[in-house]
Amino acid sequence: EDQVTQSPEALRLQEGESSSLNCSYTVSGLRGLFWYRQDPGKGPEFLFTLYSAGEEKEKERLKATLTKKESFLHITAPKPEDSATYLCAVQGRTDSWGKLQFGAGTQVVVTP
Amino acid sequence: DVKVTQSSRYLVKRTGEKVFLECVQDMDHENMFWYRQDPGLGLRLIYFSYDVKMKEKGDIPEGYSVSREKKERFSLILESASTNQTSMYLCASNLKGQSTFFGQGTRLTVV
Repeated sequence: EDQVTQSPEALRLQEGESSSLNCSYTVSGLRGLFWYRQDPGKGPEFLFTLYSAGEEKEKERLKATLTKKESFLHITAPKPEDSATYLCAVQGRTDSWGKLQFGAGTQVVVTP
Repeated sequence: DVKVTQSSRYLVKRTGEKVFLECVQDMDHENMFWYRQDPGLGLRLIYFSYDVKMKEKGDIPEGYSVSREKKERFSLILESASTNQTSMYLCASNLKGQSTFFGQGTRLTVV
């Protein structure tokens, strides 16, 4: 069974203080690993898809990386508007439709 | 931009009522999904559909059914709502092999 574990559960950062979120996964063949941002009371907003170890994707202050067992979401010089819950999800190779197995998320709070 | 639209942001229903949650996507996506999200449990898949009139159970289908009569529309039905179905419900869609996009969510409270 596919499993996704995110750490830490919560992260409090000062504005400008860079940090990383971890997503560890076990899956019988990875088709894709996905990062989402979720604001309170709203649906997840798509950020990145990573397909193979060594791949990296960037968007503004966010950078996602992938190894064979885990992914990191690096937040560089965060701003208060980066406060959100960040979700990681995997799709296994045996799945043809895009069913996702999610982690519990990391809640990030960035204070001015 | 992909748009997945859920018909209601907030709903309050009584125990035993039949509840319909509607979802529409405008990008001609083949696959559509219903998830529920609960604190401490994360997102869990209820049902999904890979074509019109086709449906598959997810991880927690008990107490729910779905309907997909048109490609762009996917409905989640609670036949007889119960308090343990109070949750955030999220609709999503994708094209085969591509990224999944979510709606804004429906916060359902069953009293």
